[in-house]
Amino acid sequence: NAGVTQTPKFRVLKTGQSMTLLCAQDMNHEYMYWYRQDPGMGLRLIHYSVGEGTTAKGEVPDGYNVSRLKKQNFLLGLESAAPSQTSVYFCASRQLGVSTDTQYFGPGTRLTVL
Amino acid sequence: GQSLEQPSEVTAVEGAIVQINCTYQTSGFYGLSWYQQHDGGAPTFLSYNALDGLEETGRFSSFLSRSDSYGYLLLQELQMKDSASYFCAPSGSARQLTFGSGTQLTVLP
Repeated sequence: NAGVTQTPKFRVLKTGQSMTLLCAQDMNHEYMYWYRQDPGMGLRLIHYSVGEGTTAKGEVPDGYNVSRLKKQNFLLGLESAAPSQTSVYFCASRQLGVSTDTQYFGPGTRLTVL
Repeated sequence: GQSLEQPSEVTAVEGAIVQINCTYQTSGFYGLSWYQQHDGGAPTFLSYNALDGLEETGRFSSFLSRSDSYGYLLLQELQMKDSASYFCAPSGSARQLTFGSGTQLTVLP
Protein backbone atom coordinates (compact mmCIF):
# COMPACT_ATOMS: atom_id res chain seq x y z
CA ASN A 1 0.00 0.00 0.00
CA ALA A 2 2.00 2.98 -1.30
CA GLY A 3 -0.64 5.64 -0.61
CA VAL A 4 -0.13 8.62 -2.93
CA THR A 5 2.91 8.75 -5.19
CA GLN A 6 4.09 11.56 -7.45
CA THR A 7 6.41 11.50 -10.44
CA PRO A 8 8.86 13.15 -10.88
CA LYS A 9 10.21 14.42 -7.53
CA PHE A 10 12.29 17.20 -9.08
CA ARG A 11 12.30 18.92 -12.46
CA VAL A 12 13.92 21.93 -14.07
CA LEU A 13 12.26 23.40 -17.16
CA LYS A 14 13.04 26.25 -19.48
CA THR A 15 10.38 28.86 -20.16
CA GLY A 16 7.99 27.62 -22.81
CA GLN A 17 8.63 23.92 -22.28
CA SER A 18 5.82 21.55 -21.39
CA MET A 19 5.61 18.71 -18.92
CA THR A 20 3.19 16.36 -17.18
CA LEU A 21 3.16 15.52 -13.50
CA LEU A 22 1.74 12.16 -12.58
CA CYS A 23 -0.12 11.35 -9.38
CA ALA A 24 -1.20 7.85 -8.45
CA GLN A 25 -3.17 6.56 -5.45
CA ASP A 26 -3.96 3.01 -4.42
CA MET A 27 -6.68 3.73 -1.86
CA ASN A 28 -9.61 3.73 -4.28
CA HIS A 29 -10.52 7.33 -3.41
CA GLU A 30 -12.93 9.20 -5.63
CA TYR A 31 -11.58 12.68 -4.92
CA MET A 32 -8.16 13.86 -6.04
CA TYR A 33 -6.51 17.29 -5.95
CA TRP A 34 -3.55 19.23 -7.28
CA TYR A 35 -2.11 22.04 -5.15
CA ARG A 36 0.83 24.36 -5.45
CA GLN A 37 2.75 25.76 -2.53
CA ASP A 38 5.07 28.73 -2.80
CA PRO A 39 7.70 29.51 -0.13
CA GLY A 40 6.14 30.53 3.18
CA MET A 41 2.65 30.16 1.77
CA GLY A 42 -0.24 27.84 2.19
CA LEU A 43 -1.61 25.43 -0.36
CA ARG A 44 -3.53 26.77 -3.30
CA LEU A 45 -5.87 24.50 -5.23
CA ILE A 46 -5.14 24.26 -8.96
CA HIS A 47 -7.63 21.64 -10.19
CA TYR A 48 -9.53 18.79 -8.65
CA SER A 49 -11.56 15.72 -9.57
CA VAL A 50 -14.54 14.16 -7.85
CA GLY A 51 -14.36 10.95 -9.84
CA GLU A 52 -12.99 9.21 -12.90
CA GLY A 53 -13.54 11.27 -16.02
CA THR A 54 -14.37 14.49 -14.14
CA THR A 55 -12.26 17.57 -13.47
CA ALA A 56 -12.94 21.04 -12.12
CA LYS A 57 -11.04 24.29 -11.67
CA GLY A 58 -9.69 25.40 -8.33
CA GLU A 59 -8.35 28.77 -7.21
CA VAL A 60 -5.39 29.07 -9.60
CA PRO A 61 -6.11 27.00 -12.75
CA ASP A 62 -4.58 29.26 -15.41
CA GLY A 63 -1.66 27.71 -17.27
CA TYR A 64 -2.51 24.15 -16.14
CA ASN A 65 -4.62 21.32 -17.48
CA VAL A 66 -5.59 18.02 -15.87
CA SER A 67 -6.97 14.64 -16.81
CA ARG A 68 -8.48 11.79 -14.79
CA LEU A 69 -8.83 8.95 -17.27
CA LYS A 70 -8.39 6.29 -14.60
CA LYS A 71 -9.63 6.47 -11.03
CA GLN A 72 -6.19 5.91 -9.57
CA ASN A 73 -4.35 8.50 -11.67
CA PHE A 74 -4.57 12.29 -11.85
CA LEU A 75 -2.31 14.09 -14.31
CA LEU A 76 -1.31 17.75 -14.20
CA GLY A 77 0.00 19.33 -17.38
CA LEU A 78 1.89 22.55 -17.94
CA GLU A 79 1.49 23.51 -21.60
CA SER A 80 4.02 26.35 -21.72
CA ALA A 81 5.93 26.74 -18.50
CA ALA A 82 6.57 30.20 -17.04
CA PRO A 83 8.89 31.26 -14.19
CA SER A 84 5.78 32.08 -12.13
CA GLN A 85 5.04 28.36 -12.09
CA THR A 86 8.16 27.63 -10.09
CA SER A 87 6.72 25.98 -7.00
CA VAL A 88 6.24 22.75 -5.10
CA TYR A 89 3.30 20.75 -6.42
CA PHE A 90 1.37 18.41 -4.15
CA CYS A 91 -1.19 15.87 -5.18
CA ALA A 92 -3.71 14.53 -2.68
CA SER A 93 -6.51 12.00 -2.57
CA ARG A 94 -9.38 12.35 -0.17
CA GLN A 95 -11.28 9.95 2.02
CA LEU A 96 -14.67 11.47 2.80
CA GLY A 97 -17.26 10.01 5.16
CA VAL A 98 -19.95 11.10 7.55
CA SER A 99 -17.46 11.91 10.30
CA THR A 100 -14.20 11.71 8.43
CA ASP A 101 -12.51 13.96 5.93
CA THR A 102 -8.86 13.15 5.34
CA GLN A 103 -6.57 14.17 2.53
CA TYR A 104 -3.53 12.03 1.88
CA PHE A 105 -0.73 13.95 0.24
CA GLY A 106 2.01 12.76 -2.05
CA PRO A 107 5.65 13.73 -1.36
CA GLY A 108 5.57 16.65 -3.78
CA THR A 109 7.25 17.66 -7.02
CA ARG A 110 9.72 20.52 -6.85
CA LEU A 111 9.57 22.38 -10.15
CA THR A 112 11.88 25.18 -11.23
CA VAL A 113 11.19 27.13 -14.41
CA LEU A 114 14.15 29.12 -15.72
CA GLY B 1 -15.90 34.88 -0.62
CA GLN B 2 -13.72 32.70 1.52
CA SER B 3 -11.49 34.03 4.28
CA LEU B 4 -9.48 32.41 7.01
CA GLU B 5 -7.39 33.77 9.87
CA GLN B 6 -4.82 31.99 11.97
CA PRO B 7 -1.70 33.38 13.69
CA SER B 8 1.40 33.36 11.51
CA GLU B 9 3.79 32.34 14.27
CA VAL B 10 3.64 30.78 17.74
CA THR B 11 6.56 29.96 20.03
CA ALA B 12 6.45 27.73 23.10
CA VAL B 13 8.80 25.61 25.21
CA GLU B 14 9.02 21.86 25.47
CA GLY B 15 6.39 20.38 27.73
CA ALA B 16 4.07 23.37 27.41
CA ILE B 17 0.55 23.57 25.96
CA VAL B 18 -0.18 25.72 22.93
CA GLN B 19 -3.45 26.63 21.24
CA ILE B 20 -3.65 27.67 17.58
CA ASN B 21 -6.85 29.52 16.75
CA CYS B 22 -8.62 29.59 13.42
CA THR B 23 -11.53 31.76 12.33
CA TYR B 24 -13.10 31.30 8.94
CA GLN B 25 -15.75 32.74 6.72
CA THR B 26 -16.99 30.37 4.03
CA SER B 27 -20.09 29.14 2.31
CA GLY B 28 -20.91 25.47 1.94
CA PHE B 29 -19.04 24.56 5.12
CA TYR B 30 -18.92 20.88 6.06
CA GLY B 31 -16.18 20.65 8.66
CA LEU B 32 -12.76 21.84 9.76
CA SER B 33 -9.54 19.93 9.22
CA TRP B 34 -6.06 20.45 10.62
CA TYR B 35 -2.82 19.48 8.89
CA GLN B 36 0.80 19.48 9.98
CA GLN B 37 3.68 20.17 7.65
CA HIS B 38 7.37 19.92 8.51
CA ASP B 39 9.89 21.92 6.50
CA GLY B 40 10.48 20.24 3.15
CA GLY B 41 7.75 17.69 3.75
CA ALA B 42 4.19 17.07 2.68
CA PRO B 43 1.16 18.02 4.77
CA THR B 44 -0.16 15.24 6.99
CA PHE B 45 -3.63 14.99 8.45
CA LEU B 46 -4.07 15.66 12.17
CA SER B 47 -7.72 16.06 12.96
CA TYR B 48 -11.21 16.73 11.62
CA ASN B 49 -14.28 18.23 13.29
CA ALA B 50 -17.62 17.71 11.61
CA LEU B 51 -19.63 18.60 14.71
CA ASP B 52 -19.26 21.20 17.42
CA GLY B 53 -17.09 20.19 20.32
CA LEU B 54 -13.74 18.70 21.10
CA GLU B 55 -12.00 15.84 19.30
CA GLU B 56 -9.01 14.30 21.05
CA THR B 57 -6.24 12.30 19.42
CA GLY B 58 -3.38 11.62 21.79
CA ARG B 59 -1.54 14.85 22.61
CA PHE B 60 -3.56 16.78 20.03
CA SER B 61 -7.13 18.02 20.37
CA SER B 62 -9.24 20.07 18.01
CA PHE B 63 -12.33 22.13 18.72
CA LEU B 64 -15.07 23.53 16.52
CA SER B 65 -17.85 26.03 17.07
CA ARG B 66 -19.95 26.32 13.92
CA SER B 67 -22.01 29.20 15.28
CA ASP B 68 -18.84 31.25 15.87
CA SER B 69 -17.06 30.05 12.71
CA TYR B 70 -14.16 29.27 14.99
CA GLY B 71 -11.90 26.38 15.79
CA TYR B 72 -8.63 25.65 17.49
CA LEU B 73 -5.92 23.05 17.67
CA LEU B 74 -4.53 22.27 21.10
CA LEU B 75 -1.13 20.67 21.40
CA GLN B 76 -0.16 19.32 24.82
CA GLU B 77 3.17 18.16 26.22
CA LEU B 78 4.99 19.87 23.39
CA GLN B 79 7.99 18.10 21.92
CA MET B 80 10.75 19.43 19.69
CA LYS B 81 9.38 17.35 16.82
CA ASP B 82 6.16 19.37 16.98
CA SER B 83 7.99 22.32 15.41
CA ALA B 84 6.20 22.62 12.08
CA SER B 85 3.54 24.57 10.22
CA TYR B 86 -0.08 23.91 11.11
CA PHE B 87 -2.90 24.62 8.69
CA CYS B 88 -6.58 24.83 9.40
CA ALA B 89 -8.71 24.03 6.39
CA PRO B 90 -12.48 24.39 6.17
CA SER B 91 -13.90 21.79 3.83
CA GLY B 92 -16.88 21.66 1.54
CA SER B 93 -18.50 18.71 -0.13
CA ALA B 94 -16.19 18.51 -3.14
CA ARG B 95 -13.05 20.28 -2.03
CA GLN B 96 -11.16 21.99 0.72
CA LEU B 97 -12.62 25.48 0.70
CA THR B 98 -9.31 27.05 1.50
CA PHE B 99 -6.01 26.41 3.18
CA GLY B 100 -4.66 29.31 5.20
CA SER B 101 -1.05 30.42 5.17
CA GLY B 102 -0.51 28.33 8.25
CA THR B 103 0.91 28.87 11.72
CA GLN B 104 4.62 28.29 12.17
CA LEU B 105 5.11 26.66 15.58
CA THR B 106 8.56 26.79 17.09
CA VAL B 107 9.22 24.64 20.15
CA LEU B 108 12.18 25.77 22.24
CA PRO B 109 14.17 23.49 24.56
